Formats: sequence, C-alpha cells, structure tokens
Amino acid sequence: GEDVEQSLFLSVREGDSSVINCTYTDSSSTYLYWYKQEPGAGLQLLTYIFSNMDMKQDQRLTVLLNKKDKHLSLRIADTQTGDSAIYFCAETLGKGGKLIFGQGTELSVKP
Amino acid sequence: GAVVSQHPSRVICKSGTSVKIECRSLDFQATTMFWYRQFPKQSLMLMATSNEGSKATYEQGVEKDKFLINHASLTLSTLTVTSAHPEDSSFYICSAREWDRANTEAFFGQGTRLTVV
Repeated sequence: GEDVEQSLFLSVREGDSSVINCTYTDSSSTYLYWYKQEPGAGLQLLTYIFSNMDMKQDQRLTVLLNKKDKHLSLRIADTQTGDSAIYFCAETLGKGGKLIFGQGTELSVKP
Repeated sequence: GAVVSQHPSRVICKSGTSVKIECRSLDFQATTMFWYRQFPKQSLMLMATSNEGSKATYEQGVEKDKFLINHASLTLSTLTVTSAHPEDSSFYICSAREWDRANTEAFFGQGTRLTVV
C-alpha cells in the first residue's frame, strides 16, 4: 500500500541542526523528495534522492535514506528562522509519477 | 528550475457557481499534470492525474463530474469546480512533470485558495 508518515511538529533553536524524519511503506518507490511549504504558498522542492542512494548533501541539507527500514530523513544544519515552515516528504511510484505525501512536519525555529 | 504558474491565486465565489483554475507550465512541456487539494494543517491529497489529450484519472472518492479536468495542450491543464459549495473551500495545487522525464522532480504551482460563500 501507499503510506508516508512524518511526525507533526519539531521545534529547534536558531543555529541548531534540525532532523525531520519520514517513513514510507512502498518499496517500489523510485524517487523520494523533500518539499517546503510556507504559509499560504505552494510547494518548493528542496531536494530529492534516488532510491539506490543512501545519502545526498546539498549545502545545509543532508538527506539520509535507509531503504531496508524505509526511513528517510532531512537534516538542516545551522537552522535559521527563515527555515520555519512545513516540510513534506513524498515518494513517487512507478511510471505514472504521482507523488504520495506525508502529513507534513511543522518546523518552528526559535531565536 | 522549471516554472509552473497557477491562476488565480485566490478566488471567492458564491455557492452554486463554477470556478476554473488554470495550471500552466511556462518553460517546458508537461504531458502529465496532477491536481491536489490541501485542507488547513493537512497534507496534500491527490485528486486526479491529468494527461494531455486524454481523460483524467481520478483518485477514489473524487467526483469527476464535480471536478472537471481538461488538459488540452502540453502547457495547460484546467480544473473546474462545478456547482461549488462551502465544503469545496480549500487550497488547490497543481504540479507538472516534463515530457519524458517521469521520474524526476515535479514542479508545483503556487496554489489557489478557493473560498465558497
């Protein structure tokens, strides 16, 4: 079945690292994504990882993928107040390419 | 990156009227576009997959006669909410994938906030 789960809230202090976790159930996922959504706005792609990789780093963002446990994480280094938003993980299935989203994790960064 | 433009960004309509939302890929051709609905503080729910030149594929529980989708060209898909009711008030977001790049990123529009009064 198709199911993506995330914790709903995360609060960190400015300058700390944030780690947002996600689990998924479908082992046929090809790509896994992290999106950021600010209030009232659409989704901004942050990064994505192909399912045969286990890590991807892009500036302050590090994505770790444990395919055996179907666990995906997003680490934001040196978190800033501008990083406060809702973060969605998503998986894409098969050739049709539809995205299945998690519930979103609301990240709150306190000064 | 590629740009997807959604219009309008906000719309208020009266109960019983119809509203059309447009989703355009501005600098690439999109054979497939997706329409999502998002309730406050909730995740995105896929409503339907829109394929250029063919009928849309609706997810279970989504009324195809209420949410009409037309994907007439490789750069434009429209979602029409027919006979809108207050419970249709929501945030609607489209996304598009490039031609022949089904397994890479999907680009999202900025969303449309629909309020039915």
